[in-house]
Amino acid sequence: GQQVMQIPQYQHVQEGEDFTTYCNSSTTLSNIQWYKQRPGGHPVFLIQLVKSGEVKKQKRLTFQFGEAKKNSSLHITATQTTDVGTYFCAAYSGAGSYQLTFGKGTKLSVIP
Amino acid sequence: DVKVTQSSRYLVKRTGEKVFLECVQDMDHENMFWYRQDPGLGLRLIYFSYDVKMKEKGDIPEGYSVSREKKERFSLILESASTNQTSMYLCASRQTLGNQPQHFGDGTRLSIL
Repeated sequence: GQQVMQIPQYQHVQEGEDFTTYCNSSTTLSNIQWYKQRPGGHPVFLIQLVKSGEVKKQKRLTFQFGEAKKNSSLHITATQTTDVGTYFCAAYSGAGSYQLTFGKGTKLSVIP
Repeated sequence: DVKVTQSSRYLVKRTGEKVFLECVQDMDHENMFWYRQDPGLGLRLIYFSYDVKMKEKGDIPEGYSVSREKKERFSLILESASTNQTSMYLCASRQTLGNQPQHFGDGTRLSIL
């Protein structure tokens, strides 16, 4: 089945530093979604990217979808302690697919 | 806002017991999902249901079954609980149309002793 590889598994940053997590697939993705899970919480949808080369911003978060639609990244500028959590990318295997395949997530720790 | 409610936040059961995990959503979503989440393994799909009385196996269905008798409710059943089923269980729902995002419940942390 479809696999989505996500790196790094863990990232520790000093507050104010930037953070990036990367997602890669061997197959072309119809779209990609990003979720955030706070410690002790459940995954919460952040954004969906659909178009080749798409870039979307949410305040300090920048999401990119690769030109070939095989990779994506989430970049956080000037991290804050509220950014702590695990960030997951996820992709449907095709239009109309029910099954969402999740990357294993990147756990972000922010040192104040 | 979508509300996905899981019946228990924490649950402790014994090996061999039949265990029921319940999930209810209030947004009339057609699709519902059960995942388990383990450290280092991410979220793995156990079963999903694309409509009432319909079910499909996910990536790790062994040892589990599901029931979807009503649109709002999706139950996960551990037929004979084993210690390797100790995990965090997450329920999710979504609309069918397009590649919609999934909305998750708070999770049930299940311990099998």
